[in-house]
Amino acid sequence: AQSVAQPEDQVNVAEGNPLTVKCTYSVSGNPYLFWYVQYPNRGLQFLLKYITGDNLVKGSYGFEAEFNKSQTSFHLKKPSALVSDSALYFCAVRDGWTGTYKYIFGTGTRLKVLA
Amino acid sequence: EAQVTQNPRYLITVTGKKLTVTCSQNMNHEYMSWYRQDPGLGLRQIYYSMNVEVTDKGDVPEGYKVSRKEKRNFPLILESPSPNQTSLYFCASRGEGPGELFFGEGSRLTVL
Repeated sequence: AQSVAQPEDQVNVAEGNPLTVKCTYSVSGNPYLFWYVQYPNRGLQFLLKYITGDNLVKGSYGFEAEFNKSQTSFHLKKPSALVSDSALYFCAVRDGWTGTYKYIFGTGTRLKVLA
Repeated sequence: EAQVTQNPRYLITVTGKKLTVTCSQNMNHEYMSWYRQDPGLGLRQIYYSMNVEVTDKGDVPEGYKVSRKEKRNFPLILESPSPNQTSLYFCASRGEGPGELFFGEGSRLTVL
């Protein structure tokens, strides 16, 4: 069965410092992996995705994520955090092998960037 | 502008009063789906539709119905709402291939 884990409910980081938001997954086939960001009273906005190819994926707003197959992880990173990055972040996975159309989302990690 | 539009954005209703949350997308997407977001539980899929001919249950379909009579619209129907359906609801669509979902702005529903 597919699953996604975001082990941290909240991550606090000082502005200008690097940030990491963790995500691990479980699928039976090849994973399609996604990160989304949600600002207050807004829908989810797509940040980046891994489908195939280079393990380091670059996305919107300076975010990047590294696909690690052996550790089944897809951590979101940014070299220098901004206060405006404070939001709720969701990791999602879809099983590419079975052709399922189901996307499984993690429980979300609240990122707080302190000025 | 490419978008997924949901209405209403906010709704307070009472137990048992039928309601419909509309969802429309202007991207000619085949795939559409509904999610509910609850604190500590993330997003859970209610129903999805691969195209106008195929609709299937997600993880939490109980108490909900959907309809896909045309490609652009995918309404969510609560025939007899109950307080445990108080939640934030999102509609999403996706184009061809294994790509990302495009989300609406959400509909916050309160059932008293």
